[in-house]
Amino acid sequence: EVQLVESGGDLVQPGGSLRLSCAASGFIFSTFAMSWVRQAPGKGLEWVAAISNRGTIISYADSVKGRFTISRDNSKNTLFLEMNSLRAEDTAVYYCAKDGRSAVAIYFLDQWGQGTLVTVSS
Amino acid sequence: EIVLTQSPATLSLSPGERATLSCRASQTVDSFLAWYQQKPGQAPRLLIYGASNRATGIPARFSGSGSGTDFTLTISSLEPEDFAVYYCQQRANGVTFGPGTKVDVK
Repeated sequence: EVQLVESGGDLVQPGGSLRLSCAASGFIFSTFAMSWVRQAPGKGLEWVAAISNRGTIISYADSVKGRFTISRDNSKNTLFLEMNSLRAEDTAVYYCAKDGRSAVAIYFLDQWGQGTLVTVSS
Repeated sequence: EIVLTQSPATLSLSPGERATLSCRASQTVDSFLAWYQQKPGQAPRLLIYGASNRATGIPARFSGSGSGTDFTLTISSLEPEDFAVYYCQQRANGVTFGPGTKVDVK
């Protein structure tokens, strides 16, 4: 059974930093592209970032480019999201998700974690 | 950036009725269109990928159609567990989601 378990969400002040983790199991982590998707309270889904299976191809939404960094450790089956210069508008549940078919790009997300809440507030 | 527009924003129907949800792209996405279902407090669940392929374990009452810029998700006969929010997603140019359609009980 595929499992994606996010952690690291917390209350942080504006301008602060946070690192999210996503522990993967039940599939060969090193063979799939992975992504982070967020959802602000009461709002829709927003794609945040994606990374290829070897970490060589990375893309970001314009809203987080230059502030967030996605990475992965295939030896530990773990996906990360380093978030800096956090703003109130970054407040959201952050989901880790697995691509359904590709090692290098996001086509569709066939497995999702339960999410971790990041709150940016003073 | 490709913008996805979903209509209607809310669809009020009764169990057993047919639901037809629309997703329109601002430019062609070929068949790189997926649909997700999300219930309150839960993560999204993949329903359809490649515009018309049902994901593993998805009941046959869910079907997707379309290509280019106009897509449809059809639920042939609503079950009580189908009342939820539905999102479309494209990957033809970056990755974007539509704003969602809420299917609620009439």
